[in-house]
This record gives sequence, C-alpha cells and structure tokens, in this order.
Amino acid sequence: DIQMSQSPPTLSASVGDRVTITCRASQNIYDWLAWYQQKPGQAPKILVYKATTLESGVPSRFSGSGYWTEFTLTISSLQPDDIATYYCQQFNDYPWTFGQGTRVEI
Amino acid sequence: QVQLMQSGAEVKKPGASVKISCKASGGSVTPYHMQWVRLAPGQGLQWMGVINPGGDIRGDALKFQGRVTMTRDPSTSTVYMELSSLRPDDTGLYYCARAAPGSGGFDLWGQGTLVTVSS
Repeated sequence: DIQMSQSPPTLSASVGDRVTITCRASQNIYDWLAWYQQKPGQAPKILVYKATTLESGVPSRFSGSGYWTEFTLTISSLQPDDIATYYCQQFNDYPWTFGQGTRVEI
Repeated sequence: QVQLMQSGAEVKKPGASVKISCKASGGSVTPYHMQWVRLAPGQGLQWMGVINPGGDIRGDALKFQGRVTMTRDPSTSTVYMELSSLRPDDTGLYYCARAAPGSGGFDLWGQGTLVTVSS
C-alpha cells in the first residue's frame, strides 16, 4: 500500500498567516493527489485535484503544489473560516489512501 | 443540482451487518467512481473502497478483512455498502463520494451516515 505521511498533525496560526501542509507519498504517485477540507459535522469538501488544480469556487488563497512524492497545500492568508481538518488522498494505486489529517487552529 | 443522499443513522449490535445506501438524486452513478470513506471518532478519514465506472470493485481488504460488500443499482442511481461482522470500533460516520473518471478528486459527497455498534 502507498502510505501518505501528512504533517504537521496540528497547526496553530494567526489570521493572515501563510500556512503550509505537506503530504509525502511512500512511492511515486505522479500528480494523482487531492486535498480536502473537513469541518466538524460536515462532509469533506474538495479544494485541489490533480495536485495543483483549484476546484471551482474555492478561494484563491488556497493552492496546491508538488509532483511524484512530495505535495503541499498552502493557505496564503489564513482566515477564521479556514478552521478545519485537512486531508490529502492519493489515487495512483489501490487502496486510495488518505493522509492522517492536519487540524488547523487559530 | 445532483446530490448524494445517504440513508439514515443505524444502531447495531456486535456481529450484525449494516447496509447503507447512497442515491444520486438528479443524476447517475454508473459513469463515475463511487467511493466509501469512514470517519471514526478521534481518527482520520479511512478509505474503504470504490465502485469504478466499468463496474469493477476495489476495496481495502487488509483493513476490513473482506467484511465490505459494495454494489450499485443503475436503475435507481444508488450504490450500497454493506459492512458485516460489526465490532464496536466500526462505530463512525460513513460517507459516499463521486468522482468523474480522470478527475483526480471526489467533488461530490453524501451527508454521511452514522453507524453505532454497541451491545
């Protein structure tokens, strides 16, 4: 199985800060990676797909980068509405594993 | 606007089975990857499996030890996930989600179904 190592597990930052979350794959997954945001009591919401493509309607302060084994989700200016847990998911090989999640606090 | 509507909360005893439905209202399930994901208390998202557009089914046999059965009914635009031999640590929220082929991400999610396993 492909392991997705996501870091940090928890991130505390201030409004307006630049925030970076990393996912490392245990083997090459090309760009078959998505990022999701999940708020308490809600279903996950896709932010980025194919590693770098922003989903329609997602604020431009979110961006994704990376290829092969190392990927990053960046929030350029953290907002109160961004309090959530963030997950990566790879689609290169089965099982389509998730990272362990990053809880973002303000 | 297509929505994925999941069946309601369930309470089951250990050893029982649960079957959850996920209906694509206003759309179809056949052209899409339909995955199932679990969120257990205090844990992260866990991939359970997927029904692919061609009908092939892939699951995480290692984590769920063959206890997961996924099916789809194109006539009602519904997919199902049955989990058998339930244990208390199967308690959690179960989500279905849809992705277009080649899209690289699941853009439509059901609201989640809470399954509680308790004696």
